[in-house]
Amino acid sequence: KQEVTQIPAALSVPEGENLVLNCSFTDSAIYNLQWFRQDPGKGLTSLLLIQSSQREQTSGRLNASLDKSSGRSTLYIAASQPGDSATYLCAVGRGDDYKLSFGAGTTVTVRA
Amino acid sequence: NAGVMQNPRHLVRRRGQEARLRCSPMKGHSHVYWYRQLPEEGLKFMVYLQKENIIDESGMPKERFSAEFPKEGPSILRIQQVVRGDSAAYFCASSPLADTQYFGPGTRLTVL
Repeated sequence: KQEVTQIPAALSVPEGENLVLNCSFTDSAIYNLQWFRQDPGKGLTSLLLIQSSQREQTSGRLNASLDKSSGRSTLYIAASQPGDSATYLCAVGRGDDYKLSFGAGTTVTVRA
Repeated sequence: NAGVMQNPRHLVRRRGQEARLRCSPMKGHSHVYWYRQLPEEGLKFMVYLQKENIIDESGMPKERFSAEFPKEGPSILRIQQVVRGDSAAYFCASSPLADTQYFGPGTRLTVL
């Protein structure tokens, strides 16, 4: 059974600081890994999708890396802004049916 | 192309009533997934459906919960005789053959 862990559970930083969010998973036989953003009381917004054959993906200020062998992914957010305040979820997809196993999330607060 | 639609967005039920949650996948998507997010917890997989078929319901409680995805119309998640512990956000996701899952805004169920 895939277990996904996100550390830290919460993070508070001043505006402009870079954010580093960690995700680890127990079964390295994954199909893909996604990072989502969830605002309070809202749905999920997909930020980045990394296929199992890839090492990283970038979109604007966001960069996500994937190390399958060690079961880790890291989401970097450069030059954080108050608008980045949200909960960030890591989700791992299996190869056969693609159902996602989610971590509990990291709640980020960027202070102005 | 409209995104995944879920309705209602908020649903209030008294204990013992039935809750019906609807999910309309994105156009052309034949795979639907339901996830549940309990307060202060991560999303947990419930059930995976394709048109007229339940593929994997391993995450769904054995009693009171059922799901369907008919040939025509939305996917329905049905909860009979709701209890307070059913209060949660229920998210639906859809995908084409495979790869990225696109999430709806969720239905927030409150059981009084």
